[in-house]
Amino acid sequence: EDQVTQSPEALRLQEGESSSLNCSYTVSGLRGLFWYRQDPGKGPEFLFTLYSAGEEKEKERLKATLTKKESFLHITAPKPEDSATYLCAVQVNWDYKLSFGAGTTVTVRA
Amino acid sequence: GAVVSQHPSWVICKSGTSVKIECRSLDFQATTMFWYRQFPKQSLMLMATSNEGSKATYEQGVEKDKFLINHASLTLSTLTVTSAHPEDSSFYICSAPIDKSLDSEYGYTFGSGTRLTVV
Repeated sequence: EDQVTQSPEALRLQEGESSSLNCSYTVSGLRGLFWYRQDPGKGPEFLFTLYSAGEEKEKERLKATLTKKESFLHITAPKPEDSATYLCAVQVNWDYKLSFGAGTTVTVRA
Repeated sequence: GAVVSQHPSWVICKSGTSVKIECRSLDFQATTMFWYRQFPKQSLMLMATSNEGSKATYEQGVEKDKFLINHASLTLSTLTVTSAHPEDSSFYICSAPIDKSLDSEYGYTFGSGTRLTVV
């Protein structure tokens, strides 16, 4: 069975304090790994798609990396507006469905 | 970018009544729509997949007679929660792939969600 595990569940950071979120996965053939940001009471907002081990993508203060077993979302010098729940999802080969992790809730204090 | 508009944002209904949630693709054709349910502090759980012009495919454990899905056009998919009960209270979110191949860089776009409270 495909599994996606995110850690930690919650992360409290001081503004400017860089950190990383982890998404480990066990799937039978990864087609793509997605990172989303979700604000309270809103739908997920797309951040990144990673397709193969070694791939990296960046957007402002966020950088996503991928290995054969896990993905990291690095937040560099976060600001309070980066506070959100970050969701990781995987898509397996030959299937269009996404399997989501439980998310990491990030709180950045000014 | 591709946008899915979801309505209503929130709804309160009495136990035993039915509620309809709509998702419209505004600037693209959504041949497929995914419907998710999310409980507080939990992840998104796929409930069903709808394809335009055909019957929806439900995930194991999801009652298809309670959660009626209709995908009558390429821009509109609806989820009707029938005979709602308090345990159906949740956050419902729709999602559509950006293009028909399901293989685009951006993958999937999500609606803004509907908070359903059954009293």
